Amino acid sequence: DIQMSQSPSSLSASVGDRVTITCRASQSINNYLNWYQKKPGKAPQLLIYGAFTLQGGVPSRFSGSGSGTDFTLTISSLQPEDFATYYCQQGHSFPYTFGLGTKVEIK
Amino acid sequence: QLHLQQSGPGLVKPSQTLSLTCTVSGGSVSSGTFFWTWIRQPAGKGLEWIGHESTTVNSNHNPSLKSRVSISVDASKNQFSLSLKSLTAADTAVYYCARGEYGGVLDYWGQGILVTVSS
Repeated sequence: DIQMSQSPSSLSASVGDRVTITCRASQSINNYLNWYQKKPGKAPQLLIYGAFTLQGGVPSRFSGSGSGTDFTLTISSLQPEDFATYYCQQGHSFPYTFGLGTKVEIK
Repeated sequence: QLHLQQSGPGLVKPSQTLSLTCTVSGGSVSSGTFFWTWIRQPAGKGLEWIGHESTTVNSNHNPSLKSRVSISVDASKNQFSLSLKSLTAADTAVYYCARGEYGGVLDYWGQGILVTVSS
C-alpha cells in the first residue's frame, strides 16, 4: 500500500494567517492527490483534486500544489469556518489511502 | 445536486454481518463511470477506504478486509450497499458512502453512520 504522511499533525493559527499543510507519499503518485476538509460530526468535503484543481464552490483561498511524492495544501487567509481537520488521499493505486490528518485549531 | 442518504443499524453483535445501504438521489448509479464507494473512520483514527463498485468497470476492495467485504449496486433502487461479515470490535467506526470518480476523487458523501460492534 502507498503510505501517506501529513505534517504537521496539528497546528494553531489565527484568523487571517497563511497556513500550509504538507503531504508526502511513499512512492510517486503523479498528480493523483486529493484534499478533504472534515469537521466533527460531518462527512468529509472535497476541496482539491488532482493535486491543484479546486472543487466547485470551494473558496479560492484554498490552493494545492506538488507532484510525484510531495504535495502542499495552502490556505492563504484562514477564516473562522476553516478550523477543521484536513486529509490528503492518494488516488493512484489500490487500495486508496489517506493521510492521518492535520487538525487546524484556533490560536 | 447529488444526494447520498445512508441507512442501516447502529449496533451489531460480534461475528455478525453488517449491512449498510446508500440511496442516491439527484442522479443515477447507472450513469457515467462512477465508483460507488465505502469509507470508514474509527473513533480517533484516520479514514480507511473500504472499496468500490461500479456498473461499468471492475470493483475493488481493500485487501486489509480480505474476503469479508462485498459491495453491490442496485440500479432498480438507485442504491448501493456494503456487506461486512465476521465483525469484531475493530470494525466499530463511522461508515460513509461516497461517489468516486477517476483518480480516487470522492466528490459526494453520505452523512455517515456510527456502527458499534458490541454484544
